[in-house]
Amino acid sequence: RKEVEQDPGPFNVPEGATVAFNCTYSNSASQSFFWYRQDCRKEPKLLMSVYSSGNEDGRFTAQLNRASQYISLLIRDSKLSDSATYLCGAWQDNNNDMRFGAGTRLTVKP
Amino acid sequence: DAGITQSPRHKVTETGTPVTLRCHQTENHRYMYWYRQDPGHGLRLIHYSYGVKDTDKGEVSDGYSVSRSKTEDFLLTLESATSSQTSVYFCASQSSYNEQFFGPGTRLTVL
Repeated sequence: RKEVEQDPGPFNVPEGATVAFNCTYSNSASQSFFWYRQDCRKEPKLLMSVYSSGNEDGRFTAQLNRASQYISLLIRDSKLSDSATYLCGAWQDNNNDMRFGAGTRLTVKP
Repeated sequence: DAGITQSPRHKVTETGTPVTLRCHQTENHRYMYWYRQDPGHGLRLIHYSYGVKDTDKGEVSDGYSVSRSKTEDFLLTLESATSSQTSVYFCASQSSYNEQFFGPGTRLTVL
């Protein structure tokens, strides 16, 4: 079992829709979590950091559930420009490294 | 965004040749990482560094070595390139909040 797993996708949604991605992690020592956005043939770019129960930035909301060991990313009012692959990362304090999920691909259509 | 550059951006080489990829950061971050990204596997850690001359192995370190002689530079060497090392390589540096910032990547093809 991979240490960080994500919904495989792809998610195809119309503009204006609300879409949610989930990410589960297996290492209970993970304390910090991150969502990255990666465009085709580009590097991952940090979207949100989650250190406690959650974080919100405009149309984006991340929620952390430590009891169930998952984090989610909610995108409201989807834009065409939100089309990308979204990566979840979990920092492992006991290993001093970050583990990433394989990513979830989102396509927002007009 | 953190200032991280990688060179070369693209490279084609032959099996059995050594290859060195370079990563340079201007944020004075202590931690730096090398990942490879392949379809279906996501980002996998090759090696990381927690300071000058301090490095450790990641989950896919076989066939790779690293060196860090200065805070800003982290080198990844493929000692004898194989076709299985064809991949996209990303370097990252890490802030004190554990946020990782990635370089633009190097696309390596081993023929």
